[in-house]
Amino acid sequence: ILNVEQSPQSLHVQEGDSTNFTCSFPSSNFYALHWYRWETAKSPEALFVMTLNGDEKKKGRISATLNTKEGYSYLYIKGSQPEDSATYLCASHTTSGTYKYIFGTGTRLKVLA
Amino acid sequence: EAQVTQNPRYLITVTGKKLTVTCSQNMNHEYMSWYRQDPGLGLRQIYYSMNVEVTDKGDVPEGYKVSRKEKRNFPLILESPSPNQTSLYFCASSHWYGPEYKGHAQFFGPGTRLTVL
Repeated sequence: ILNVEQSPQSLHVQEGDSTNFTCSFPSSNFYALHWYRWETAKSPEALFVMTLNGDEKKKGRISATLNTKEGYSYLYIKGSQPEDSATYLCASHTTSGTYKYIFGTGTRLKVLA
Repeated sequence: EAQVTQNPRYLITVTGKKLTVTCSQNMNHEYMSWYRQDPGLGLRQIYYSMNVEVTDKGDVPEGYKVSRKEKRNFPLILESPSPNQTSLYFCASSHWYGPEYKGHAQFFGPGTRLTVL
């Protein structure tokens, strides 16, 4: 089983702070890297799907970068708000004869007002 | 409204009693998948399907079966549930046009919380 690792596991920041998380994934058989936002008692919702080395994507105050050669992706949140509080998941979509998803265990973010 | 639906949402059952969790999507998605969520372990893929009659194992397929007879439906079957299958289960779907098209995010259902006594 290929491992996807996320750090930190949890994070508390003050409202207005900017923050970032890391997702590390095996660079071999890379197909795509997904970021999801998961609020308590809800279902995961897609933020970004990234496929090309050097990709940068942005949605409002949230952005992400991708390095497929070294196997990492960063998620950035600028000016965190309490509504950003959630668990942020990354998932590696791999191909080696199959098209499986491997999820990390997530980074749990709490933004304090 | 585009959605993935799962039924039941909550289920308490006993060891050995066969059960089926249904999953249906109305977005004409080719790729469908089942995951289980356990504390500290993250989402783990059980089975996935890339189209009708095409299914493949994820990382934790033992004790589960699936079928994909229609594009919209992807039921998860537990032939003889055991307590270690107590978990939160998610169904998800996305488009899949082949390996040259990579940018399709998954849409998740609301989850099914299963307890096996």
